Amino acid sequence: EIVMTQSPATLSVSPGERATLSCRASQTVSSNLAWYQQKPGQAPRLLIYDASTRATGIPARFSGSGSGTDFTLTISSLQSEDFAVYYCQQYNNWPPYTFGQGTKLEIK
Amino acid sequence: QVQPVQSGAEVTRPGSSLKIFCKASGDSFSNYAIHWVRQAPGQGPEHMGQIIPSFGTVKYAPKFEGRVTITASYMELRSPRSEDTAVYYCARGVIRDMYSSLYFDHWDQGTLVTVAS
Repeated sequence: EIVMTQSPATLSVSPGERATLSCRASQTVSSNLAWYQQKPGQAPRLLIYDASTRATGIPARFSGSGSGTDFTLTISSLQSEDFAVYYCQQYNNWPPYTFGQGTKLEIK
Repeated sequence: QVQPVQSGAEVTRPGSSLKIFCKASGDSFSNYAIHWVRQAPGQGPEHMGQIIPSFGTVKYAPKFEGRVTITASYMELRSPRSEDTAVYYCARGVIRDMYSSLYFDHWDQGTLVTVAS
C-alpha cells in the first residue's frame, strides 16, 4: 500500500498571501495524484488531477506541481473561502487508492 | 450535471448489517466508476472499493475484502463495529480501464453512520 504523507498538518496564513502545501508518496505514483478541498460538513471537492491539471471551475490561483514522489499544491493569493482542509490522493497503484491525512489551512 | 445523492444519517447495531444506497441524479453513471469512501471523525478519507458498472468489475481494498459488498446501487458492510462509525461517501470516478479508475470528480454529501448498541 502506498502511504501518502502531507505536511504541515496545520498551516497558518494571512488572506492575500501564498500557501504552499506538500504531499509525499512512499513510492512513485508518476503524475497520478489529485488534490481535494474539504470544508466542515461538506464532501471533498476535486481541485487538481494528474498532479497539475485544474478541475472544472477551479480558480487559477490554485496550482499543482510535482511528479514521482513529491508534490505541491500552491494557492497564490488566499481568499477567505480557501481556508479548509486539503487532501492529496494517489491513483497510480490500487487497491487501495490512498489519501494523505490532510493539511488544515487556517487564518493567521 | 451528474451528482450522486445519498440519505443523511443512520444508526446501526454492532454485528448487524449496514446497507447504504447511492442514487445518481441527472445523467447516467454508466460511463463512470462508482467508489465508496469513508471518513472517520477527524481522519482522512479511506477508500473501500469500486465498481465499474459498464464492465461489471468490482474490486475491494484489502482491509474490506470479505466484509463489504458493492453493487451499482449500494454498499453493504457486514458485522459493523464501533470503529466503523464514519461518514460514508459514494463518488464518481473517471474510468482508466476495466479494473481501475482515476480521480474522483464528484462526491455525494455522504451518510453519517453511527455504530452503537
